[in-house]
Amino acid sequence: EIVMTQSPATLSVSPGERATLSCRASQSVSSNLAWYQQKPGQAPRLLIYDASTRATGIPARFSGSGSGTEFTLTISSLQSEDFAVYYCQQYNNWPPLTFGGGTKVEIK
Amino acid sequence: EVQLVESGGGLVQPGRSLRLSCTASGFTFGDYAMSWVRQAPGKGLEWVGFSRSKGYGGTTEYAASVKGRFTISRDDSKSIAYLQMNSLKTEDTGVYYCTRSSSSWYLYFDSWGQGTQVTVSS
Repeated sequence: EIVMTQSPATLSVSPGERATLSCRASQSVSSNLAWYQQKPGQAPRLLIYDASTRATGIPARFSGSGSGTEFTLTISSLQSEDFAVYYCQQYNNWPPLTFGGGTKVEIK
Repeated sequence: EVQLVESGGGLVQPGRSLRLSCTASGFTFGDYAMSWVRQAPGKGLEWVGFSRSKGYGGTTEYAASVKGRFTISRDDSKSIAYLQMNSLKTEDTGVYYCTRSSSSWYLYFDSWGQGTQVTVSS
């Protein structure tokens, strides 16, 4: 099973600042990685797939990068609606499909 | 507009069964792989299992934690996916989400339902 590790667990950022979230895989997942955003009481929403492709309707301030075992989600200028929990997920080697433990982005 | 609506959740005793349904609309259901993902209270996301589209054999895969107890099926004529959960355990408690993947091989989830709560408790 591929273990996905996200860091930090919590990230405190001021509105308008840049946020950088990390996701590491226990073995290579190539570029088969997705990022999701989840707000309290809501279902997750797909942000990024194939490591760097934005999903339909996702603003350009969200960008993904990386391949192999190291991945990054960058939010270039945080808006109030971006404060949420973010999860990465690998789909290269399954079953099982696996998620990271999440990074909570909170207001500083 | 793509919509996934889960139903069938509730309170159930350990050892009992429950069947969840996911009713889809806004897309050609039979062309997509359908998965179930759950979230325990205050915890992260856990993949439960999925069903490939009939075009890819309609086969299923499961997480080790539910294999042998849970079964995913689908009725493409009604655009409904099911999750039959048997021998439920307290650790199965959580919100269960129905999700869609556009590929039966590159399994990221591009649409999610709103979730249905399952509570396993005596």
